[in-house]
Amino acid sequence: DTAVSQTPKYLVTQMGNDKSIKCEQNLGHDTMYWYKQDSKKFLKIMFSYNNKELIINETVPNRFSPKSPDKAHLNLHINSLELGDSAVYFCASSISSGRHNEQFFGPGTRLTVL
Amino acid sequence: GENVGLHLPTLSVQEGDNSIINCAYSNSASDYFIWYKQESGKGPQFIIDIRSNMDKRQGQRVTVLLNKTVKHLSLQIAATQPGDSAVYFCAELTGGFKTIFGAGTRLFVKA
Repeated sequence: DTAVSQTPKYLVTQMGNDKSIKCEQNLGHDTMYWYKQDSKKFLKIMFSYNNKELIINETVPNRFSPKSPDKAHLNLHINSLELGDSAVYFCASSISSGRHNEQFFGPGTRLTVL
Repeated sequence: GENVGLHLPTLSVQEGDNSIINCAYSNSASDYFIWYKQESGKGPQFIIDIRSNMDKRQGQRVTVLLNKTVKHLSLQIAATQPGDSAVYFCAELTGGFKTIFGAGTRLFVKA
């Protein structure tokens, strides 16, 4: 009965590789997000999709490409991984009407680039 | 080992005491101000929010105060418990979808 799930939980890879992180929510929400949390716990929004349309695209290298196949899924693909990409990546979801300010976060994916 | 959160502001309180966590924000046009709690190894969890046209809102054991004059937000936790130990983030919602998070404060509760 997990609300927002992410896979994998841990990801260790070499510089230059390409990797993907998957996110799914079963809350019936129509908006999903990707956040990056660095080693100092600073949490920064990267992307947001509403009804499968990209609505927020912060200044993120174009090596990062989100994909939303449907409202319940938002995946993040990262090309040519760099050391600075090491962080915890959180997926979140919310509803665009009513309680739109309450976001539900997944457990995070810890990415380590060696 | 994990070098996470060593530079976070830290608040240490005795179990049973009240905690006050403060936050300064920058955008006067934000629609909502929100507090999230993040326990170790987990994602942030919504605690309480306040609309920009209010100055106080109470929840269960928590109260949020908003002072728009000085752009200050605070979270008060009554009768702090060990389970309240976490990192607390203030956040502001602008434009309907974009949530900007503050730097976070680590709360330690001493038994």
